[in-house]
Amino acid sequence: GENVEQHPSTLSVQEGDSAVIKCTYSDSASNYFPWYKQELGKRPQLIIDIRSNVGEKKDQRIAVTLNKTAKHFSLHITETQPEDSAVYFCAARNPRRGGADGLTFGKGTHLIIQP
Amino acid sequence: EAGVVQSPRYKIIEKKQPVAFWCNPISGHNTLYWYLQNLGQGPELLIRYENEEAVDDSQLPKDRFSAERLKGVDSTLKIQPAELGDSAVYLCASSSDRGHTGELFFGEGSRLTVL
Repeated sequence: GENVEQHPSTLSVQEGDSAVIKCTYSDSASNYFPWYKQELGKRPQLIIDIRSNVGEKKDQRIAVTLNKTAKHFSLHITETQPEDSAVYFCAARNPRRGGADGLTFGKGTHLIIQP
Repeated sequence: EAGVVQSPRYKIIEKKQPVAFWCNPISGHNTLYWYLQNLGQGPELLIRYENEEAVDDSQLPKDRFSAERLKGVDSTLKIQPAELGDSAVYLCASSSDRGHTGELFFGEGSRLTVL
């Protein structure tokens, strides 16, 4: 099955600086890569996603890049703000049998924005 | 529109006792997932339903865990008997598309503590 590795496990940055979180996946058939944000005690929520036919996607201060050859993808947050503090999870989906499949998640990165 | 609703939010039981969690997905979402989230970890898929059919339950410990989605809408996850290691957050999620858009909508989770 799919295996997703995520680094770092904890990331502390100064407010206003950029943050980068990296993930690798094992199955070259995976074609969908979302990022979820989970605040303490809350549900995970999708913040951005990318499909395997695209190399980069941007939404305001958040961007995701995908390198299919190397099987890795990254989340970039610019001009970080206190409300960006949360745990971020990357995930990968491997389509099987033509239907929707459960996502395989990384272990998460605890992002801390220092004032 | 109401999101994914789970109950109870918190449950404390003694080991060897049974416990059940309930999930009502977003209206019209045919795919329903149960995930397990241990502290400091990413969600791990337990079971996935397409309507009332369990299409992926390979990660469900069937000796003590069971799930059902009889009418293809709400779902119940049961543990009997519970063990200390079952303490975790049980997340329910739903999606409306068969894998092409991919977004999973999560509930707030049911936090289980086994004493």
